[in-house]
Amino acid sequence: AQRVTQPEKLLSVFKGAPVELKCNYSYSGSPELFWYVQYSRQRLQLLLRHISRESIKGFTADLNKGETSFHLKKPFAQEEDSAMYYCAPRGSSASKIIFGSGTRLSIRP
Amino acid sequence: GAVVSQHPSRVICKSGTSVKIECRSLDFQATTMFWYRQFPKQSLMLMATSNEGSKATYEQGVEKDKFLINHASLTLSTLTVTSAHPEDSSFYICSARDQGQGHNQPQHFGDGTRLSIL
Repeated sequence: AQRVTQPEKLLSVFKGAPVELKCNYSYSGSPELFWYVQYSRQRLQLLLRHISRESIKGFTADLNKGETSFHLKKPFAQEEDSAMYYCAPRGSSASKIIFGSGTRLSIRP
Repeated sequence: GAVVSQHPSRVICKSGTSVKIECRSLDFQATTMFWYRQFPKQSLMLMATSNEGSKATYEQGVEKDKFLINHASLTLSTLTVTSAHPEDSSFYICSARDQGQGHNQPQHFGDGTRLSIL
C-alpha cells in the first residue's frame, strides 16, 4: 500500500540551529517526492522536489531509496521558516499527490 | 507562475443546502484537477481526481453522489456538496497541474474554501 510517514507532529528549534524534518515513504515503483510548505494564512506551495536537486530558501532534501526516506534539512533555521511542512510522494508523473500528516516547524528566537 | 483560483473562499449555510465550489487554472490549462479536504489540525486528504470531459475518479470512502464533480473545460472544475450537513464542514482545497509544460510538473494549489454548515 502507498504510505507516507512524517513522524514528528511538531518540531521546535532555536533560530540558527539545524533543522531536519523526517519523511519516510512506502511506494511501489519509483515515486517522485515533493515537499510542500504552508505559511500562516497562505496557500500550500511547493518548496522543492527531488528531481530538481536544488536548494530553496536554504532547504535541501535528498532521496534515499535504500531507506525510502526524503528528509528535509536546513543548516541554520530562521524565524520565517516557521510553517507547516508536508512531504508528498507521487506515484508517477501522471498520478495524484498524497500528503503526509505534516510537521509544524516552530523556530524560537 | 501557475495560479489556481478557488471561489468562494468561505461559505456558511444551513443544513440541507447544496454548495458549489469553483476551481480555476488562471494561466494554464489543466486536463486533471484534484480535490482535497482538510479537517482542523489534520493533513490534506484526497477526495477525487477531476478529469476534463470524463467522470471524476473518487478515492475510497468518498461518496460520489454527495460530492459531485464537473470538469467541463480545461480551466474549470467544480465541486458541489449536495445536501450538506454539519459533518461536511471542512476546508476544501483544489489543485491543478500545468500539463502544457509536460507530465513532470508539480501540483499548484488554490487558497481553499472553508465550508461551515449550521
